[in-house]
Amino acid sequence: NAGVTQTPKFQVLKTGQSMTLQCAQDMNHEYMSWYRQDPGMGLRLIHYSVGAGITDQGEVPNGYNVSRSTTEDFPLRLLSAAPSQTSVYFCASRRQFSGNTIYFGEGSWLTVV
Amino acid sequence: GQQVMQIPQYQHVQEGEDFTTYCNSSTTLSNIQWYKQRPGGHPVFLIQLVKSGEVKKQKRLTFQFGEAKKNSSLHITATQTTDVGTYFCAGLERNYGQNFVFGPGTRLSVLP
Repeated sequence: NAGVTQTPKFQVLKTGQSMTLQCAQDMNHEYMSWYRQDPGMGLRLIHYSVGAGITDQGEVPNGYNVSRSTTEDFPLRLLSAAPSQTSVYFCASRRQFSGNTIYFGEGSWLTVV
Repeated sequence: GQQVMQIPQYQHVQEGEDFTTYCNSSTTLSNIQWYKQRPGGHPVFLIQLVKSGEVKKQKRLTFQFGEAKKNSSLHITATQTTDVGTYFCAGLERNYGQNFVFGPGTRLSVLP
């Protein structure tokens, strides 16, 4: 059981470049989300989705786009990378009902220079 | 919007000492979850609390949910080096909340 799979694990970008972080889950979870983790700030929600074709903004959505064409996949796109987007990114999924365990991917370390 | 705070931010203990981290929400919660993140790893679910005043134990870990459902605590008895990591609480706001809001975490170091 793979759970939540994120790629790439490490990436260095130049300012202004775009890229996509991939996320896939094999647990048939309706709810998927992306968080960024910065020192001393915990996990902040970027975007989330409650099902295929439905996405919404979280706490820190600016500079990021998402789409959810299938239940399994939830890619995160950085449109024009900025140094402020240097962070660790976690994809997560859970069943739709809010009381359920959140399963996290292993993280993607992104550096923007 | 909803805010979740945790104290302390860092805690260094000698192996065998006890450790407690506290979580406080600006709003009443329907439930709260606790996660542990090892250095370089990803958050892993520990437990969920739902009822007012609820206390749950997992071996040396004791979790408590406040009577007003606005605060929670995690207590570790006789810490071990395997307890090293960052402990996060995540609260779900009562009434229409569907996104858990994470606290900033408490980073625990255990000296052997």
